[in-house]
Amino acid sequence: QQQVKQSPQSLIVQKGGIPIINCAYENTAFDYFPWYQQFPGKGPALLIAIRPDVSEKKEGRFTISFNKSAKQFSLHIMDSQPGDSATYFCAASREENTGKLIFGQGTTLQVKP
Amino acid sequence: GAVVSQHPSRVICKSGTSVKIECRSLDFQATTMFWYRQFPKQSLMLMATSNEGSKATYEQGVEKDKFLINHASLTLSTLTVTSAHPEDSSFYICSVTPGQSNQPQHFGDGTRLSIL
Repeated sequence: QQQVKQSPQSLIVQKGGIPIINCAYENTAFDYFPWYQQFPGKGPALLIAIRPDVSEKKEGRFTISFNKSAKQFSLHIMDSQPGDSATYFCAASREENTGKLIFGQGTTLQVKP
Repeated sequence: GAVVSQHPSRVICKSGTSVKIECRSLDFQATTMFWYRQFPKQSLMLMATSNEGSKATYEQGVEKDKFLINHASLTLSTLTVTSAHPEDSSFYICSVTPGQSNQPQHFGDGTRLSIL
């Protein structure tokens, strides 16, 4: 019940495409859902996060869609660029700040020029 | 600028050596710090939660005598891998949080530990 399932494992898109990464969770007590971007040899960096009372959140080219009834959320990257090539992790937590983060399995994204 | 400083960034040492990794919060006092481990091409797995002034809370399956955590101040937590063996080789990452509402966790850049 603590798991967060992420798909796909890897994704290749052309520059300008819109990659979509999906995550599903079981624990309805989760109330904070961040997405992280990680480059090789670096720690993850927070991209965008959402709480369950909102169905969509947009920050720049990154959009989270949240479906509370289905217990699913997804990341959309608009107008993807080669610099977006990285590994993306969704996560879930019961508390935004002090709660433990449960990470998805990760998605390796490659954006071809 | 960086919010979290993790040191060293890379360690290579012989089997049986103990290795200490430091995690410093640069921008705020972190009442809580988390330690994660990440194997190649895998996700981050939480090892333990470090609370300033009290004993760390370890996740199931993580040996507390193997991975010693000290959170002696509000800006510094250390992870010591005792008597490290090749299977301990991994990427260790810390995160910090100010413990206030609406403040996300900030991650360090990790420490690549390689045990020969």
